[in-house]
Amino acid sequence: DVKVTQSSRYLVKRTGEKVFLECVQDMDHENMFWYRQDPGLGLRLIYFSYDVKMKEKGDIPEGYSVSREKKERFSLILESASTNQTSMYLCASSFSQGGNYGYTFGSGTRLTVV
Amino acid sequence: AQSVTQLDSHVSVSEGTPVLLRCNYSSSYSPSLFWYVQHPNKGLQLLLKYTSAATLVKGINGFEAEFKKSETSFHLTKPSAHMSDAAEYFCVVSPPYQGGKLIFGQGTELSVKP
Repeated sequence: DVKVTQSSRYLVKRTGEKVFLECVQDMDHENMFWYRQDPGLGLRLIYFSYDVKMKEKGDIPEGYSVSREKKERFSLILESASTNQTSMYLCASSFSQGGNYGYTFGSGTRLTVV
Repeated sequence: AQSVTQLDSHVSVSEGTPVLLRCNYSSSYSPSLFWYVQHPNKGLQLLLKYTSAATLVKGINGFEAEFKKSETSFHLTKPSAHMSDAAEYFCVVSPPYQGGKLIFGQGTELSVKP
């Protein structure tokens, strides 16, 4: 069974901490994505990557950065966590022609910043 | 700019009655369109997708959606609701030539009454 695995299901961090959210996929997908999900807002794209060491800003990149050193792993970094980054974070991956082949999502990481 | 609007934030139906979840999209080009479902505390699951083939798309669990270009709509339907259909549903567009990114609607919460 193909999988997108997010390293933590729940995470609690303090304001100002540097936070790493990890995502690993085993499908040899080229594209990987990070979204945050907030009630009433749906999912909003933070960053995405279409190849190793490549990254593109999504709709809400402020306060975040990403790293993709290997094809299967895509990390989201909160440089200095703030309370407004409390959210559910979802990772997804797809083949390069994502529209034709669909996307696979991880189960999510619920991050609370206190 | 591409966007997705789900016309209802919450829909409530009785078990055994039809389900209609409405979605309108805005896209300069013919997009790929999806419906995803998210059950409480679960990841996102693909229900169905439209990728410029047949305009009536059949998905899992008896759901289907019809792509209507003239109305820029992609409404999700099911003839008879089941209790297990209670979840949040997202209409999603993937515009062409944008690296496979997904744009989500705000979500529609479906409640099913016994």
